[in-house]
Amino acid sequence: QSALTQPASVSGSPGQSITISCTGSSSDVGGYNYVSWYQQHPGKAPKLIIYDVSNRPSGVSNRFSGSKSGNTASLTISGLQAEDETDYYCSSYTSSNSRVFGGGTKLTVL
Amino acid sequence: EVQLVESGGGLVQPGVSLRLSCAASGFSFSSYAMSWVRQAPGKGLEWVSDISGSGGTTNYADSVKGRFTMSRDHSKNTLYLLINSLRADDTAVYYCARYSGSWYHFDSWGQGTLVTVSS
Repeated sequence: QSALTQPASVSGSPGQSITISCTGSSSDVGGYNYVSWYQQHPGKAPKLIIYDVSNRPSGVSNRFSGSKSGNTASLTISGLQAEDETDYYCSSYTSSNSRVFGGGTKLTVL
Repeated sequence: EVQLVESGGGLVQPGVSLRLSCAASGFSFSSYAMSWVRQAPGKGLEWVSDISGSGGTTNYADSVKGRFTMSRDHSKNTLYLLINSLRADDTAVYYCARYSGSWYHFDSWGQGTLVTVSS
């Protein structure tokens, strides 16, 4: 199972919105509404921020939103804040009953 | 509060075996499927394996199938990962993670335990 494709880096200014893409195939992202997104600060464990494509866990800011079109899922962060600067990973359930992650995206807040 | 605490990592030589543990608390351990996810230094996350709440079903990534064995002990609320024939590319932080009730995303993570394979 190949890793999902994410841009290595994205950047934006405080207050702006950015979108991180996550591209897979019909065997994972495109075949199921089971895409999740995780935020990981350096040296820390990942934290769930979006599940089932577009649902936010309790306590996660509504500045984070998710969507999917075909084989590509997207994470949008609106009203960028300095604290958002870190790494983000997508993940999907797959047709082989496994899970696959994206390669990760480093977000820089300019 | 859900707590997952990994242990058992360290510096080991290639070819040896190692057993990682993950002590769970704050929830009904047997009611949740669990997983191991690893992260090589400076790299991304890699799903390794998972196990059903009962322990009767396990799944493994192709990259570790045949060398890794995942198990759980409900009397100790502990998850295990036995790694045989360790290789340099097994060097990583190993996280245990709890699946949500739906099995499709990880809603809680431990802080990880570092395994370094080097002679």
